[in-house]
Amino acid sequence: AAGVIQSPRHLIKEKRETATLKCYPIPRHDTVYWYQQGPGQDPQFLISFYEKMQSDKGSIPDRFSAQQFSDYHSELNMSSLELGDSALYFCASSFREGVREQYFGPGTRLTVT
Amino acid sequence: GESVGLHLPTLSVQEGDNSIINCAYSNSASDYFIWYKQESGKGPQFIIDIRSNMDKRQGQRVTVLLNKTVKHLSLQIAATQPGDSAVYFCAERSGLGGGADGLTFGKGTHLIIQP
Repeated sequence: AAGVIQSPRHLIKEKRETATLKCYPIPRHDTVYWYQQGPGQDPQFLISFYEKMQSDKGSIPDRFSAQQFSDYHSELNMSSLELGDSALYFCASSFREGVREQYFGPGTRLTVT
Repeated sequence: GESVGLHLPTLSVQEGDNSIINCAYSNSASDYFIWYKQESGKGPQFIIDIRSNMDKRQGQRVTVLLNKTVKHLSLQIAATQPGDSAVYFCAERSGLGGGADGLTFGKGTHLIIQP
């Protein structure tokens, strides 16, 4: 079965640079979520989108922004990167209606040096 | 859920035994709960879910129990196998976000299977 696709899988950036992470949800899923997971920590919810509109907002820094496009894929834009932004970034997708379990992608490992 | 830093609770069980992983959740208004399994360097993998109007749900080799009175969730894994070794997270959804709520994850438990 098709899963959530994230790109790139690994990304190395320097402080103060910008980064863009991409997420392609499971086909026919209409809702996308972004999570950040630091080393040895639980995933922290950042933001979610349904039908290109922001739906729920978690602990997303002001330096980060995201959007969902008409084909339901999503991009997380990160600016003025800090060392503390080094983490795994996961995208998850679901149907908004019905059971709504969230399925996670393999993640993007961002390293800020 | 709170971050646990670099230390995860660990549960060590013998292969073939049953495992029980516990989780305390924080929001009495949460309407939906999920258990995820995460292997090193991979994304969380859906195991089983339960709605707040249920007390128990069973899947293949797994059972989730929900006690809303004490805000406690447990995952039971029957006949634990080496492939069950991973970090297990419970997650809750507040139900206030119109269906696209982010999940709040609990502290992970590292399950280690002894041969």
